[in-house]
This record gives sequence, structure tokens and C-alpha cells, in this order.
Amino acid sequence: DIQMTQSPSTLSASVGDRVTITCRASQNSRDWLAWYQVKPGKAPKLLISKASSLEGGVPSRFSGSGFGTEFTLSISGLQPDDSATYYCQQYNYYPWTFGQGTTVEVK
Amino acid sequence: EVHLVESGGGLAQPGGSLRLSCAASGFTFSDYEMNWVRQTPGQGLEWLSNISISGTTALYADSVKGRFTISRDNAKNSLFLHMNSLRAEDTAVYYCASGTGYFQRWGQGTLVIVSS
Repeated sequence: DIQMTQSPSTLSASVGDRVTITCRASQNSRDWLAWYQVKPGKAPKLLISKASSLEGGVPSRFSGSGFGTEFTLSISGLQPDDSATYYCQQYNYYPWTFGQGTTVEVK
Repeated sequence: EVHLVESGGGLAQPGGSLRLSCAASGFTFSDYEMNWVRQTPGQGLEWLSNISISGTTALYADSVKGRFTISRDNAKNSLFLHMNSLRAEDTAVYYCASGTGYFQRWGQGTLVIVSS
């Protein structure tokens, strides 16, 4: 199985900051990479697919990049509503696998 | 508005069975592959199973292969997960999600607790 490793595991930043989450794949995932936002008690939300394609309705402060084995999710102009856990997921190979998550705290 | 609503979770004994359901509305259910994904306490997300649009092809993660069965009823806009031989490590929130490869729409999940 492809292992997805996210860093950091947690991060704390202030409103207005720019934060970046890194996701590394153990094998080449090309650009078959998605990012999700998960909040307790709510349905997970797809933010980005194909490494950099922003889903409709997702604020433009979210952006994704990368190819192969290294990917990033950036949030520019951090907002209080961005407090959540973020997961990357590869879908180049079965079984589709997720990273362990990065919890973002907005101070 | 798109809605996916899971039900059927609860307390089950080790070795027992449960059947989860997912009711879909607000989109053409029969146009999408469907999936089950779970989130275990303190752990992350794990993809479990995918079913084709017609329901004739299913894929499973090794952790549930042979114990869980995914199915769908396109006439009733419903997705199911039959879970047998439950183990303590199956304790999780179970989500249904639409999509192929990545998961576009998710429900809010149903909690399954496996304990004696």
C-alpha cells in the first residue's frame, strides 16, 4: 500500500497567517492527490482534487501543488473557520490511502 | 441540496453483525460510484470499499475483505454496508461518500462501537 505522510501533525497560527501542510507519498502518485477538511461532527469536505484543482465553493485562499511524491496544501490569510484537521489522499493505486492528518489551530 | 445520510450504527458485540445504510438525495445517485470510509478514534481516515455505478463490481480494503459487503439500490438511492465478524478495531465513525478515486460528497457519519 502507498503510505502517505503528512507534516506537521499539528500547527498553530494566527488569523491572517499563511500556513503550509506537506504530504509525501511512498510511491509516485502522479497528480492523483486530494485534500479534505474535517471538522468534528460534520461531513468531511473535499477541498482540492488532482493535486491543485480547487473544488467549487472552496475559498481561493486554499491552494494545492505538487506531483509525484511531494505535495502541499497552503492556506493564505488564515481564518478562524479554518480550524480543522486536514487530510491528503492518493488515488493512483488501490487501496486509496490517506495521510494521518494535520490539525490546524487558529489562535 | 446534496445530502448523504448514514444510519444503522450502534453497539455490536465482537463477532456480531451490523448493516449500515446511506440515503442519498439532491443528485443523480445512479451516476456515481459510491464508497465507505471510516475514521477510527484517534486515527485518521481509512477507505474501506467502493462499488461501481451498476453495483456489479466492488473493491475492498484488506482490513475488511471477506467480512464486509457493499451493495446499492439505485431505485431507492441507497447504499449499504453489511458488516460481519466485527472486531474491536472496527469501532469507528463510518461515512458514505460519492466519487471515483477521490470523494466529492460525504455524509456526516454513523458511529459503530464494537464491544462486549
